[in-house]
Amino acid sequence: DAGITQSPRHKVTETGTPVTLRCHQTENHRYMYWYRQDPGHGLRLIHYSYGVKDTDKGEVSDGYSVSRSKTEDFLLTLESATSSQTSVYFCAISEPARGSGSYEQYFGPGTRLTVT
Amino acid sequence: EDQVTQSPEALRLQEGESSSLNCSYTVSGLRGLFWYRQDPGKGPEFLFTLYSAGEEKEKERLKATLTKKESFLHITAPKPEDSATYLCAVPARSNDYKLSFGAGTTVTVRA
Repeated sequence: DAGITQSPRHKVTETGTPVTLRCHQTENHRYMYWYRQDPGHGLRLIHYSYGVKDTDKGEVSDGYSVSRSKTEDFLLTLESATSSQTSVYFCAISEPARGSGSYEQYFGPGTRLTVT
Repeated sequence: EDQVTQSPEALRLQEGESSSLNCSYTVSGLRGLFWYRQDPGKGPEFLFTLYSAGEEKEKERLKATLTKKESFLHITAPKPEDSATYLCAVPARSNDYKLSFGAGTTVTVRA
C-alpha cells in the first residue's frame, strides 16, 4: 500500500463546469502522476510532477491543468469539462527500483468521472 | 514513438489450464519492464519489474520472463482468483519517469 488516496471517488458533472480531482499521498514521494484510462486506449499519462511546483505534460494534457503546492497533494483540474473527458482517472506515485535507474509506479484507487 | 503491444486482448481459461500472455515493445535500451494486475473498479497493482534479457520473476502462480524484444507472463494452473486484466509497461525512451502502457490482456478463469 503506497498510501495514496483519491477524492472524490465518483463524480458526475455537466459540460462546461470546472472540476478538480485530488490525489493525496502520505509517504513523501517526490514523483506523482495523473493518468486516464479508457476502453481501447489503456492508461495514458496526462501530467506528472517531479517536486513541489514542478510539473510536466504527458501525452494527453490538452484540457487539463495540474498543481502541486505541497509534497502530499497533486491536483488535476478540468477547466471546462467536456464529454470526451468522461473517464477513470488514476493517480500514481513512483519510487526508484532497487539496482536500476527505473522507477516503479504505484497507483491509487481511481476516480470515475462522468461529464453529461 | 515508444510502443507496447499486448496479446491476446482476452484469454478465457479453465481452472488449471496454464497459458501465457505476451508483451512486446519497441523502445531500445530497455531500462525496466513492469507488470501490473488490475481488478475491475480498482487501480493497477504492481507485480514485477524485469531489467535484463533472461531475467525471471515469480509470484505464486505467475512467472514473468524477459527477452530483448518481449516479455511473457506465464500463469501456471490458474484459479478463478487469477481473473484480472494484466498490464505491462516500459519507461519512455525520453524519460525514465514516464511509463508507456500496453492495452492489457483480460484473463478470465472458469472454475
